[in-house]
Amino acid sequence: DAGVIQSPRHEVTEMGQEVTLRCKPISGHNSLFWYRQTMMRGLELLIYFNNNVPIDDSGMPEDRFSAKMPNASFSTLKIQPSEPRDSAVYFCASRSGGNYNEQFFGPGTRLTVL
Amino acid sequence: TQLLEQSPQFLSIQEGENLTVYCNSSSVFSSLQWYRQEPGEGPVLLVTVVTGGEVKKLKRLTFQFGDARKDSSLHITAAQPGDTGLYLCAGGANSGNTPLVFGKGTRLSVIA
Repeated sequence: DAGVIQSPRHEVTEMGQEVTLRCKPISGHNSLFWYRQTMMRGLELLIYFNNNVPIDDSGMPEDRFSAKMPNASFSTLKIQPSEPRDSAVYFCASRSGGNYNEQFFGPGTRLTVL
Repeated sequence: TQLLEQSPQFLSIQEGENLTVYCNSSSVFSSLQWYRQEPGEGPVLLVTVVTGGEVKKLKRLTFQFGDARKDSSLHITAAQPGDTGLYLCAGGANSGNTPLVFGKGTRLSVIA
């Protein structure tokens, strides 16, 4: 089985541009999580979905960030407009509905905003 | 707010040495996961422990869940350069739909 798939793996953009990150969770998983990782702050949860419904977006830094999950096999994280402080690695993770809370991460998207 | 404290933050050792990293909390977790993250990759799940006092072994890695399910340790025997990476612990609540709580990680470097 394929794991969590993220695209692009690397994104370099200029300040003010719109950035869209994509995620395909593991088939059959019903929860999806978006994280941001930096050296200073570690792994931060931005938002998560259960059964395609956003449950908690309190980790989204500002209104410039938005996330959608139109169906069980696809999610996007959009930043508009992007700023240099958004530079980080963004991870998507998915989880089945089992009892052990095990999450499986994608390879991440390294975003650089110039 | 549940927090997981990991120690040490950084660890640099010689190949062949043993080491232990710790994950501590004042909260009780229903499960605890350990992940390893290599540069340029996402965290990879190593193990899940769910029972207080549980010990699991994965080759040279030994994981233990505290009796009260508030803490955990990871012991590596005869470390090798391939063990280099960021080790993250994450705690899960009783409700299966809530997010994991992650520690900030221990960054291990094993020098040949």
